[in-house]
Amino acid sequence: NAGVTQTPKFRVLKTGQSMTLLCAQDMNHEYMYWYRQDPGMGLRLIHYSVGEGTTAKGEVPDGYNVSRLKKQNFLLGLESAAPSQTSVYFCASSSIRVSYEQYFGPGTRLTVT
Amino acid sequence: AQSVTQLGSHVSVSEGALVLLRCNYSSSVPPYLFWYVQYPNQGLQLLLKYTTGATLVKGINGFEAEFKKSETSFHLTKPSAHMSDAAEYFCAVSDRNSGNTPLVFGKGTRLSVIA
Repeated sequence: NAGVTQTPKFRVLKTGQSMTLLCAQDMNHEYMYWYRQDPGMGLRLIHYSVGEGTTAKGEVPDGYNVSRLKKQNFLLGLESAAPSQTSVYFCASSSIRVSYEQYFGPGTRLTVT
Repeated sequence: AQSVTQLGSHVSVSEGALVLLRCNYSSSVPPYLFWYVQYPNQGLQLLLKYTTGATLVKGINGFEAEFKKSETSFHLTKPSAHMSDAAEYFCAVSDRNSGNTPLVFGKGTRLSVIA
């Protein structure tokens, strides 16, 4: 039981490049979330999903897109990376029965130069 | 909208001293309340949570927190700090009236423990 995993762990992008971050969970959770963590800002919600094929915007969605084609996977895409997207990205998941209890992945450290 | 305030971005205590990390929430209806810990270069780990029932909740590693409705607070304490407690701590809330409950995090408090 791996819990929540994130790929890749580190990435450096140039401004304007695109990439996709993958989050996978093996707990059969219905809800999945993407957060970004910046110094002094805590964690802020980017997008979330309440089920396969359904996504919603969080607090800071601009510049990101997401997809939930399979229940166990939640993808976060950056179409044209900007230096302001340099951050640590965390994925989390929770079950519909205990939706407030989220399990976090180890994070992806992204640097945009 | 929910908000969480953590007083003090950095707290420093001596080994063996009391740890007190402060958290206040803004909503009139008490939310679900959480404390998470993040060790360097790691993800977030749930320390403890309050959902209902006893207002003093115990978590892992000797931490506990008390929900005080009158003060809209959920402060985290540990009687005796250990070097291994050095980490960043996040208070978070979730709206108990919502079927889908994304967490709202405070900005975090970095705890340093001095030998």
